[in-house]
Amino acid sequence: GAVVSQHPSRVICKSGTSVKIECRSLDFQATTMFWYRQFPKKSLMLMATSNEGSKATYEQGVEKDKFLINHASLTLSTLTVTSAHPEDSSFYICSALTGGYTYEQYFGPGTRLTVT
Amino acid sequence: SQQGEEDPQALSIQEGENATMNCSYKTSINNLQWYRQNSGRGLVHLILIRSNEREKHSGRLRVTLDTSKKSSSLLITASRAADTASYFCATERGNKLTFGTGTQLKVEL
Repeated sequence: GAVVSQHPSRVICKSGTSVKIECRSLDFQATTMFWYRQFPKKSLMLMATSNEGSKATYEQGVEKDKFLINHASLTLSTLTVTSAHPEDSSFYICSALTGGYTYEQYFGPGTRLTVT
Repeated sequence: SQQGEEDPQALSIQEGENATMNCSYKTSINNLQWYRQNSGRGLVHLILIRSNEREKHSGRLRVTLDTSKKSSSLLITASRAADTASYFCATERGNKLTFGTGTQLKVEL
């Protein structure tokens, strides 16, 4: 099956710094990737839809200047949390959409962000 | 806003028993999917059922969909300790997935 990787798996950063999370589709091309946020023991909340070669579409309530998304190639999307604060600490998961008739999103293993 | 509500929130059963989880949603959908998540890990796609389907099987999994009631159920038969995880339903509409609140399943030996 399709494989999606995320890097790093865990990151600790200090308040005020920025951190970049990468999402890669390893064996397929993904014109669309999604970024989710998950709080402990909670469901996944869609943050934004990342389309290759165009601007990301953000969900209501998600600050686009805070969470910068770049989808520079068909296999890579990045999420940069700018000027991070402790409340940004969360589990961030990306997914990549395969093409074709069978709609299916393949999820990355997630990135645990802790802001101190 | 949360599209899907799942119940129960938590379920504890003995190995070999069946586990049933329910999901309700609010809007029209293209399909409904079930995912599994082990603690602190990514999601694994289990099964997809289209809006024009009523039941689907995959191994020990059985999914039903009732679009008139906007509800779905996931049945895991002959559960194993390795089935311990959180299970989420997700409705798809316009290529976007909206996840339910999840059911934490614990299968004890």
